[in-house]
Amino acid sequence: EAGVAQSPRYKIIEKRQSVAFWCNPISGHATLYWYQQILGQGPKLLIQFQNNGVVDDSQLPKDRFSAERLKGVDSTLKIQPAKLEDSAVYLCASSLAGGGVDTQYFGPGTRLTVL
Amino acid sequence: DQQVKQNSPSLSVQEGRISILNCDYTNSMFDYFLWYKKYPAEGPTFLISISSIKDKNEDGRFTVFLNKSAKHLSLHIVPSQPGDSAVYFCAASASNDYKLSFGAGTTVTVRA
Repeated sequence: EAGVAQSPRYKIIEKRQSVAFWCNPISGHATLYWYQQILGQGPKLLIQFQNNGVVDDSQLPKDRFSAERLKGVDSTLKIQPAKLEDSAVYLCASSLAGGGVDTQYFGPGTRLTVL
Repeated sequence: DQQVKQNSPSLSVQEGRISILNCDYTNSMFDYFLWYKKYPAEGPTFLISISSIKDKNEDGRFTVFLNKSAKHLSLHIVPSQPGDSAVYFCAASASNDYKLSFGAGTTVTVRA
């Protein structure tokens, strides 16, 4: 079974530029998560989708971050414009249903460096 | 605020010995706890979990202990193997929203 796919794996941009990340979850997984992991910290949930609807985006900086999950399968996370403090690894995860104690499966992440 | 804390950023242990990783939490609503393992350039992978109705869960070489009164859990790895060298994240969730809160991680190095 294929795991969670993410691209690109690495991205370097200058501040004020825009960037987009792509995630393809495990087939059949209804719930998709985007996390931000800053160096030395644990992953922090940015947004959670159930199919193509948003369940929780309370920690998403909506003035610059946006995410969508068209057709309830793959998803994109965009940052526009990027700031220096956005340098982090962006992890995508998926789970079968999203309710209860559902195991989340993580992709390899995209390492973003903002100069 | 950080609701899940892993106060030891690193741990070095000799191959064959026991590794003990600790985790503390502050939110009394947390009732489900997980450990994830992460290798460099890979995403975290689920290792083991425990519900608040239990105080111990064992899976092969890995055992998680939960002390609800102290709001503390620990992960024991016995015996430690070189392939266990990784970053270990403690995570917790509450049954009212199931959102995972992660600790900052502990880097384990198993010496030959």
